[in-house]
Amino acid sequence: ETGVTQSPTHLIKTRGQQVTLRCSSQSGHNTVSWYQQALGQGPQFIFQYYREEENGRGNFPPRFSGLQFPNYSSELNVNALELDDSALYLCASSLSRTGNSPLHFGNGTRLTVT
Amino acid sequence: GQNIDQPTEMTATEGAIVQINCTYQTSGFNGLFWYQQHAGEAPTFLSYNVLDGLEEKGRFSSFLSRSKGYSYLLLKELQMKDSASYLCAVNTGFQKLVFGTGTRLLVSP
Repeated sequence: ETGVTQSPTHLIKTRGQQVTLRCSSQSGHNTVSWYQQALGQGPQFIFQYYREEENGRGNFPPRFSGLQFPNYSSELNVNALELDDSALYLCASSLSRTGNSPLHFGNGTRLTVT
Repeated sequence: GQNIDQPTEMTATEGAIVQINCTYQTSGFNGLFWYQQHAGEAPTFLSYNVLDGLEEKGRFSSFLSRSKGYSYLLLKELQMKDSASYLCAVNTGFQKLVFGTGTRLLVSP
């Protein structure tokens, strides 16, 4: 069983640029969520996708957007990058949206904005 | 508002028992998860509680009291490899998790 995979693993961008991060969910998982984890902090919920529709959003501005594809893979796009966007971006998938279905996380993309 | 509190750091000795506490105040509660995260790696699932009481899984146990907004993770027979951050997370609905800042556990020989 293939787990959650993310690409790229590391990325360096300049303030004002745009970035796209990619995620392949675990086999059979139809729900994908994105989290931002700043250094020394817990992950913060960005948004969730279920059956290709955004299904809930955390406290992030509209320049954070996403997509989910028919094969349940997903993209996170960030426009007009700011220095504070430097963080580990984690993708997580789950088998369902019921309570006891744990999130399975990928290893993340480390984004550095200079 | 959403608030989850955990100690920032704890230290313990190999072979000992450690309890990591978590208190929460969230809008919505559909269970509480504990995750382990080694430096530079993905969080990995440890346990899930939705009803009051103790859930045991090998060396790890997790407890929940919904009326008190309180949970703890108990680690027994500590090993060096247990040195990691432990994240408490509340499911506020449909697998949208609110995480604490994590407790960094250092296990010494």
